[in-house]
Amino acid sequence: EVQLVESGGGLVQPGGSLRLSCAAAGFSFSSFWMGWVRQAPGKGLEWMANIREDGSEKFYVDSVKGRFTISRDNAKQSLYLQMNSLRAEDTAVYYCARSQTGGRYYDFWGQGTLVTVSS
Amino acid sequence: DIVMTQSPDSLAVSLGERATINCKSSQTVLYSSNNKNYLAWYQQKSGQPPKLLIYWASTRESGVPDRFSGSGSGTDFTLTISSLQAEDVAVYYCQQYYGSPLTFGGGTKVEIK
Repeated sequence: EVQLVESGGGLVQPGGSLRLSCAAAGFSFSSFWMGWVRQAPGKGLEWMANIREDGSEKFYVDSVKGRFTISRDNAKQSLYLQMNSLRAEDTAVYYCARSQTGGRYYDFWGQGTLVTVSS
Repeated sequence: DIVMTQSPDSLAVSLGERATINCKSSQTVLYSSNNKNYLAWYQQKSGQPPKLLIYWASTRESGVPDRFSGSGSGTDFTLTISSLQAEDVAVYYCQQYYGSPLTFGGGTKVEIK
């Protein structure tokens, strides 16, 4: 059974940092692009970042470039999102998702982890 | 960035009736070299993560009931639920993967009338 389990969310002050993790199981993690998508409370979906199977290519939405870093450890079957210089508008549920066909659409999503940026 | 616009924002449909959701992209998502539309549809039920329904605009994901169908090409797309069931109450999103950044429509909430 495919599983994606996010962790690391919580309350952080503006300007602070947080590292999200996503533990994968039930599939060959190293064979898939992976991504992060977020959803602000009561709002729609917003793509954040994608990473290639081997980590050699990474893509970001402009609003997080230079602040967020996506990475992966295939030996640990884990995906990460390092978030720095957090702002109130970064408050959202962050989903880890598996991508078919090179980081295009997502065929499986985790349950998400809530990040709240507030003083 | 490619802007995805969905309509309506919400709709209420009687059980067993048809539900139609529209999605329009600000530029074409049809890749001429392979004649594929780079568009997906997702369903998100309350308190749950999104679930992939349709990709390449009209290919149903494995396990998705055949009452869900996707159509359209270029810039105009439609998700149709042919006979609405109670378990279809959800918010539906379209997403383009033609260009970066990947972008989603604002969502359409489907309810039972």
